[in-house]
Amino acid sequence: ETGVTQTPRHLVMGMTNKKSLKCEQHLGHNAMYWYKQSAKKPLELMFVYSLEERVENNSVPSRFSPECPNSSHLFLHLHTLQPEDSALYLCASSQQRYTFTDTQYFGPGTRLTVL
Amino acid sequence: AQSVAQPEDQVNVAEGNPLTVKCTYSVSGNPYLFWYVQYPNRGLQFLLKYITGDNLVKGSYGFEAEFNKSQTSFHLKKPSALVSDSALYFCAVRGNNNDMRFGAGTRLTVKP
Repeated sequence: ETGVTQTPRHLVMGMTNKKSLKCEQHLGHNAMYWYKQSAKKPLELMFVYSLEERVENNSVPSRFSPECPNSSHLFLHLHTLQPEDSALYLCASSQQRYTFTDTQYFGPGTRLTVL
Repeated sequence: AQSVAQPEDQVNVAEGNPLTVKCTYSVSGNPYLFWYVQYPNRGLQFLLKYITGDNLVKGSYGFEAEFNKSQTSFHLKKPSALVSDSALYFCAVRGNNNDMRFGAGTRLTVKP
């Protein structure tokens, strides 16, 4: 798991707070992803970045704002969240976004609780 | 659009017995199939993938998966389960549009 790191590991925030999740990959990959994992539901792909360009946004509410300053770092900025946004947020990276055989490698996740 | 189904929320096996975690898929075009494992408070770890070729794919920690095109299945197997295999297992498929779709997960419990 040292290949993809995420901070913080746990976050509790009120609905009016602003916070950011950070992801860093040490694998030399060109693509990075944000997923949301809720209990007993499939992973939901939120955002995809390829070569620092956002290539996918799966109808995610604007209260989630991603940022990819370089190919090694990915942020998810949070503001005015709702309690239903409480979940495990997973970051992943992969070598090439547009290769079918491409394997994604995941970080440990940030457990977010919105009060 | 592609999708996967994991029909069992929970699988229980005794240590030393063989285990199977089921996955079926739906995709247009060639399927590219993956298995991941998630231990408590950890991210998903890649186990194995099927791209093409031999229908039996071997992966990490003694796991293997059998691709069956006629049954559109990709079941995960291990000949002898360990207590430490207890975790949440996810099947995933990538179709021609390159999006990855994950199943809802199957919780495997291996009892001593």
